Amino acid sequence: GENVEQHPSTLSVQEGDSAVIKCTYSDSASNYFPWYKQELGKRPQLIIDIRSNVGEKKDQRIAVTLNKTAKHFSLHITETQPEDSAVYFCAATGGSYQLTFGKGTKLSVIP
Amino acid sequence: SQTIHQWPATLVQPVGSPLSLECTVEGTSNPNLYWYRQAAGRGLQLLFYSVGIGQISSEVPQNLSASRPQDRQFILSSKKLLLSDSGFYLCAWSGVQVNEKLFFGSGTQLSVL
Repeated sequence: GENVEQHPSTLSVQEGDSAVIKCTYSDSASNYFPWYKQELGKRPQLIIDIRSNVGEKKDQRIAVTLNKTAKHFSLHITETQPEDSAVYFCAATGGSYQLTFGKGTKLSVIP
Repeated sequence: SQTIHQWPATLVQPVGSPLSLECTVEGTSNPNLYWYRQAAGRGLQLLFYSVGIGQISSEVPQNLSASRPQDRQFILSSKKLLLSDSGFYLCAWSGVQVNEKLFFGSGTQLSVL
């Protein structure tokens, strides 16, 4: 089955700096890669996703890049703000109903 | 638009007591439904998923069971709770195609004492 590794587990950045979270996956058939943001005690919320037919997708301050050859994808947050502080999860799936999640990255944005 | 409702928000139960968590989805038909568990500070573990009424797939052997009595209703149950059942339980739904976006309910924080 699919295995998703996520790094780092914790990340602290100064407000205004960029944050990058990286994930690798094992199943070369995977073709859908979402990212979720979870604030403390709340539900995970989908913030951006990418499918394997594109290499990059942007939505305002958030971008995701995908390297299918290397089997890794990354989340980039620019101009970080305190409200970006949360746990971020990557996930991957390839034609099944089951998303495999990474273990999460706790992002802290220091004002 | 589609919405997902999950209740209760918090639950404190003694060891050995039964459990029933309910989830309903509105605004869509024949959704795929999921139950996830999240232990404190941990990732998301898929417990069950369902592609239709009465169709349940279990991903992890455990003390829990799931049922889908109606198209948009998903229930998580246990006959006797264990301490290890404590956690944050999340219901989720997606469309019927594979690789559809997954949307979570607001979650139930279960504490087994």
